[in-house]
Amino acid sequence: NAGVTQTPKFRILKIGQSMTLQCTQDMNHNYMYWYRQDPGMGLKLIYYSVGAGITDKGEVPNGYNVSRSTTEDFPLRLELAAPSQTSVYFCARSQGPSYGYTFGSGTRLTVV
Amino acid sequence: AQSVTQLDSQVPVFEEAPVELRCNYSSSVSVYLFWYVQYPNQGLQLLLKYLSGSTLVKGINGFEAEFNKSQTSFHLRKPSVHISDTAEYFCAVSAPNQAGTALIFGKGTTLSVSS
Repeated sequence: NAGVTQTPKFRILKIGQSMTLQCTQDMNHNYMYWYRQDPGMGLKLIYYSVGAGITDKGEVPNGYNVSRSTTEDFPLRLELAAPSQTSVYFCARSQGPSYGYTFGSGTRLTVV
Repeated sequence: AQSVTQLDSQVPVFEEAPVELRCNYSSSVSVYLFWYVQYPNQGLQLLLKYLSGSTLVKGINGFEAEFNKSQTSFHLRKPSVHISDTAEYFCAVSAPNQAGTALIFGKGTTLSVSS
């Protein structure tokens, strides 16, 4: 989706491996978010950021870490991958609470 | 805290028929409400939003939704659906005055339109 770029689109990890999901926006919006989507469960918030250098946990942060060194980038780090982290991950940006979100096209991660 | 309940997990409908996707929310404070659509293997796109004012809001692709404060509902409607409307639809809520303003999503409703 225009404005938020996620890489990679697909990845298979072995249990215990680590990886970084990349997310980059092109609009200098302060708010950025990471969600995971599991079938029939909707989207659950992992981490969010309200500006460079400021991050906070969402509903399901365990097993993940984030950083926000620039306004444009909001990478999500998985350490010691587990099968429970098999999911589709979406990054989003927003100008503020009344604007809604612009989502990336997602990263489909499988942990085997 | 806020929560969202989408009352139907799947809604099958024939082409050109009307459809309503139901969404209830819970919150002790005023909220913003959103509907998003997700086509297969894509990210979510904003359909419409309610911030304040008129309770009937119109969105893209002929969809509209009505905010009902007394019933804490925000149902999505379309008078005549097309095959191309087949997708998953998510209702979401946020509390504008809370830190982070993260959206809370319902579990989704799969709309299947057949001919």
